[in-house]
This record gives sequence, C-alpha cells and structure tokens, in this order.
Amino acid sequence: EVQLVESGGGLVQPGGSLRLSCAASGFTFSSYWMHWVRQAPGKGLVWVSRINSDGSSTSYADSVKGRFTISRDNAKNTLYLQMNSLRAEDTAVYYCARATPGVEYYFDYWGQGTLVTVSS
Amino acid sequence: SSELTQDPAVSVALGQTVRITCQGDSLRSYYASWYQQKPGQAPVLVIYGKNNRPSGIPDRFSGSSSGNTASLTITGAQAEDEADYYCNSRDSSGNHLGVVFGGGTKLTVL
Repeated sequence: EVQLVESGGGLVQPGGSLRLSCAASGFTFSSYWMHWVRQAPGKGLVWVSRINSDGSSTSYADSVKGRFTISRDNAKNTLYLQMNSLRAEDTAVYYCARATPGVEYYFDYWGQGTLVTVSS
Repeated sequence: SSELTQDPAVSVALGQTVRITCQGDSLRSYYASWYQQKPGQAPVLVIYGKNNRPSGIPDRFSGSSSGNTASLTITGAQAEDEADYYCNSRDSSGNHLGVVFGGGTKLTVL
C-alpha cells in the first residue's frame, strides 16, 4: 500500500525556518517524481515545488523561489522541503504528492498534510 | 505563471448530471487532471489525461477537453460527491515543468 506521511510542521515566527519531511513507503520511491502542494486555511490548492526521481532537477513556484528548497534522500525514501525566511502568507497545510509515471503533474497519491503556521 | 479558472460553486440535484469546467491557455497543450477534496481530507485524483480514472473511482466521473477548456462530468451525482474539485495542468509559461491549479469548485448536491 502506497503511503506518504508528512511531518515537521508547527508554529514558527516570521523570518524563521522549518524543514518538512515526507516519508514514503509501499512503492519504489526512487522511480517517482515528487511534489509539494500547499493549502492555506479555507483556500485552494497551490503547487509549491517538484523534484525529479534522482533529485537532479527541481522547480519552484515564484512565490517560494529563493526561500524554499526541495530535496530527497532515495536511500531513506524521504522527501524534504526546507523553508527559510518564512512569511505569514506561507501559513498552510503542506501536502507531499507522488506524480504518476510519465506525466509529472498528475498526482496519484497524497499524504495527509502537515500544518505550518507562521505567526509571532 | 499560467492560470486555470474554475467557477467557485456549482450545484446539482441528486441523481442529475453536472459539468465542472476549467479554463486556461495551458489546456490547449496539456490535458488537465482533476482532484476531489472533502473537508479535512487530502485531495484524491479522480480523472487524468484524456479521460482516465484511477482504480476505485466510480465510472460516473468522466473527463473531456476542447480548446482551452477541460471539463469534469459527474453523471448521476450522489450525495457523497459533494466536495471541492480542483483541476491542474502543466504550467505553460516560463516555469520549467511547473504546475498550476485552478481555484477550485465547490459542488453542492441538493
């Protein structure tokens, strides 16, 4: 059974940093592109970042470029999102999602999300 | 980045057919995928590609596309279909292999 379990969320002050993790199981993690998607309270889904299967290629939404870094450790079956210079508008539930083979923007499995709250 | 536009809210009578649309320039080049999200839950993929359903998704869900518009159709809507629905596609602007989501449509089953 495919499972994605996010962790690392919490309350952080503006300007602070946080690292999210997404532990994957039930599939060959190293074969799949992965994404982070966020959802502010009461708002819609917003794509944040993606990484290819071996970690050699990444892409970011303009709103987080230069502040967030996506990475992965295929030996540990884990996806990461390092978030620096956090702002109030980064407050959201952060989901990791697996991309379907061959088409990187179809997300066939999602984690349950981890809440990040940026507030003083 | 490119944008996808959805109607904020749509309603349908129980057992009737409803179409939820998604408009954007990127849809002229790329198929959309569709996600169902119920309160407090993670999104679930319901349609991807030309008209493909993941295992476990009822066949009352179907997808289509024409020009810059993608559509999700629910034929014979059920009470359990009440949810938020989001489309997404590849970002066709300069963001290399980025992704864009529509703003979401809240479906009410009457």
